[in-house]
Amino acid sequence: EPEVTQTPSHQVTQMGQEVILRCVPISNHLYFYWYRQILGQKVEFLVSFYNNEISEKSEIFDDQFSVERPDGSNFTLKIRSTKLEDSAMYFCASSYRAGANVLTFGAGSRLTVL
Amino acid sequence: DAKTTQPNSMESNEEEPVHLPCNHSTISGTDYIHWYRQLPSQGPEYVIHGLTSNVNNRMASLAIAEDRKSSTLILHRATLRDAAVYYCISPASYDKVIFGPGTSLSVIP
Repeated sequence: EPEVTQTPSHQVTQMGQEVILRCVPISNHLYFYWYRQILGQKVEFLVSFYNNEISEKSEIFDDQFSVERPDGSNFTLKIRSTKLEDSAMYFCASSYRAGANVLTFGAGSRLTVL
Repeated sequence: DAKTTQPNSMESNEEEPVHLPCNHSTISGTDYIHWYRQLPSQGPEYVIHGLTSNVNNRMASLAIAEDRKSSTLILHRATLRDAAVYYCISPASYDKVIFGPGTSLSVIP
């Protein structure tokens, strides 16, 4: 069964450092998403991306965050200057089309900011 | 998104059916009802979705009330592997799915 692949599975970084989390969505999917989940809390929407541009973003997704699809397969989330409160699991998801809202999620990347 | 209300937690015995309720009284006529679940230490996983009619798939069944103000996710025989947080969502936006706190299901051997 096709799956969404995320790397790294766990990253530890110092506060203020830049972090890039990578995702390989399912190959024929057109819509891409990033979510995060702080330990013990609910899954929070960050951003959705279609046709090489952001289609929606949440209040969490401020200027410190950016997303990119640098080639035909990868979808990345960059955090420019990490803060302690960015420590969370970050989930990438993709879907074939909007409106179906059937998202396939990756296993997540755990980010620990020290 | 239409507001959904679910119990915080439920328990079930292994191999018995589980009925997970969800209220969505503000749902509009064209909003689908989606269910996802999140197993421990994993990402969310799509379970099932429907609009008006009851739906079945290999994972579960979805029973939707006639007035569409509530729905029930049915796991026909709970296994230990079904212990997870189950999310009922009615997305109003095509570009995102918003997760609430969900129902934490415990399965007792």
